[in-house]
Amino acid sequence: EAGVTQFPSHSVIEKGQTVTLRCDPISGHDNLYWYRRVMGKEIKFLLHFVKESKQDESGMPNNRFLAERTGGTYSTLKVQPAELEDSGVYFCASSLEARGSYGYTFGSGTRLTVV
Amino acid sequence: DAKTTQPTSMDCAEGRAANLPCNHSTISGNEYVYWYRQIHSQGPQYIIHGLKNNETNEMASLIITEDRKSSTLILPHATLRDTAVYYCIVRVPISSGSARQLTFGSGTQLTVLP
Repeated sequence: EAGVTQFPSHSVIEKGQTVTLRCDPISGHDNLYWYRRVMGKEIKFLLHFVKESKQDESGMPNNRFLAERTGGTYSTLKVQPAELEDSGVYFCASSLEARGSYGYTFGSGTRLTVV
Repeated sequence: DAKTTQPTSMDCAEGRAANLPCNHSTISGNEYVYWYRQIHSQGPQYIIHGLKNNETNEMASLIITEDRKSSTLILPHATLRDTAVYYCIVRVPISSGSARQLTFGSGTQLTVLP
């Protein structure tokens, strides 16, 4: 089966611009998660979708970040306007069940650089 | 979720067993121990998890002490491709309808030497 796919793999934008990251989970996985690692810090949770509904968005840093999952398939994470501190690697993961008993499958991430 | 303590870095000779320790002295009775790793430029990869019994799969073995306050991830025959940051995470298995995110710490940088 295809894994979790993220696009683009790299993005360089100027401060104040908008960027949209996309994640395609494993087909049939209702649970989709966004994580990020910024400036060499630890990987941090952003939010969790169950199908198209936001189950937990406690990790979203501020209202410049908007995540959507229309139709319960792929998800997008928009940053508008981007700030320098948003630079980092954004990971998406999916799991068949919310318990994630057998682990989540992560994508390779999108490296975002804000200049 | 309970906090974990891991060494910052470790080296291992290729072909030898890599033993990565993790302390989780405040673990609760219903918390599982999960191990993930992140190879450079890739996303985190699930390795194994367990509650109190030792576990083994095609990737690794997980040894959990009887008091559950520490565990060891064992890669039986480390290869150069096992060079990665290894994360030990303890968490409650989330119940239906709720979610609990993974809390990554700093992990252990394992370097497998030729």
